[in-house]
Amino acid sequence: GQSLEQPSEVTAVEGAIVQINCTYQTSGFYGLSWYQQHDGGAPTFLSYNALDGLEETGRFSSFLSRSDSYGYLLLQELQMKDSASYFCASSKDTPLVFGKGTRLSVIA
Amino acid sequence: DGGITQSPKYLFRKEGQNVTLSCEQNLNHDAMYWYRQDPGQGLRLIYYSQIVNDFQKGDIAEGYSVSREKKESFPLTVTSAQKNPTAFYLCASTGQGGRGANVLTFGAGSRLTVL
Repeated sequence: GQSLEQPSEVTAVEGAIVQINCTYQTSGFYGLSWYQQHDGGAPTFLSYNALDGLEETGRFSSFLSRSDSYGYLLLQELQMKDSASYFCASSKDTPLVFGKGTRLSVIA
Repeated sequence: DGGITQSPKYLFRKEGQNVTLSCEQNLNHDAMYWYRQDPGQGLRLIYYSQIVNDFQKGDIAEGYSVSREKKESFPLTVTSAQKNPTAFYLCASTGQGGRGANVLTFGAGSRLTVL
């Protein structure tokens, strides 16, 4: 089976950097994805790591270490609109399995 | 614009009633999924389909049924056998293998409330 662990809540200051961690246990693993969901909305895709290392997309970066079964999402230059829930998801064939999500609150 | 359309956005059901949630996509994606979201629970997989006329149960399929008669459509029926159906239901799809198979496109969701 697959399971993913991530913190339930994180609070950070506007303009700062925040890291959301995700550890996974999977019997076989293809890659790690990240999704953002604002309250009342649908999740939207942020990034996907199939290989070890850092993937950068604007203010957001995602990291994967297969040897440590660990990944993280890094958000830089935080803005108020980044307040949302962030989900990591692992893939082994299909379909994706999601963590329970991390609620990020950005404060002034 | 390509995307996934879910309807209705809000639905109220009396106990004992079956309701069907619609999901239509014009992305030409082969695979489609239904997830259920409860507060603090993340997304849990109900059913998925990788090809027309075929579908598989997810982790919480009991009390639900689906059909996949057309590539574009994957409706979900919440039956009276589902004892706690109040939730936010999300339909999604993915493209072909590699990165595409790992990028879920979601519909806007359907919020079901049992009265």
